[in-house]
Amino acid sequence: GQSLEQPSEVTAVEGAIVQINCTYQTSGFYGLSWYQQHDGGAPTFLSYNALDGLEETGRFSSFLSRSDSYGYLLLQELQMKDSASYFCAVSPRDQKLVFGTGTRLLVSP
Amino acid sequence: DAGITQSPRHKVTETGTPVTLRCHQTENHRYMYWYRQDPGHGLRLIHYSYGVKDTDKGEVSDGYSVSRSKTEDFLLTLESATSSQTSVYFCAIQRDTNTEAFFGQGTRLTVV
Repeated sequence: GQSLEQPSEVTAVEGAIVQINCTYQTSGFYGLSWYQQHDGGAPTFLSYNALDGLEETGRFSSFLSRSDSYGYLLLQELQMKDSASYFCAVSPRDQKLVFGTGTRLLVSP
Repeated sequence: DAGITQSPRHKVTETGTPVTLRCHQTENHRYMYWYRQDPGHGLRLIHYSYGVKDTDKGEVSDGYSVSRSKTEDFLLTLESATSSQTSVYFCAIQRDTNTEAFFGQGTRLTVV
């Protein structure tokens, strides 16, 4: 089976940098993705790592290390609107999409 | 926005009654998923589909069944609703397993 663990909550101030970690146990997967969900809304896609290393998309970056069974989402220049829940997800080789436990990010002024 | 709609958006039903939630897509994506979201549990996979009439169970499938008779529709049925099935249900679609998934706006189901 698959198991993806994330911290339940992270707090930071505006303008800061925050890293949200994702550790996983899975027998094999195509890639690691990240989703953002604001309260009352639906999850939306942020990034995808097919290969090890860093992927950058504006203020957000995502990292994957398969050898360490670990990935993270890095958010820079935090804004109040970044307050949301963030989920990592994997696509295992049995054709489904499995999500982590989610991290609630609280950004304060 | 990706063409994915869920219906109904809200429903209150009584324990023991059958309930069907519908997910409809206009993107012709191969993969479709049903998740439930509860506080402290994130998004848990109920069932998924990788093609017409091709479905499989997720981690919390007990008490749920699904059907996909055509590409665009994925139905989730609670044969006999229980209070533990009170939740927010999300449908998602995905073209391939290495592409982004798009989510519907969710269905808030309350079983009383």
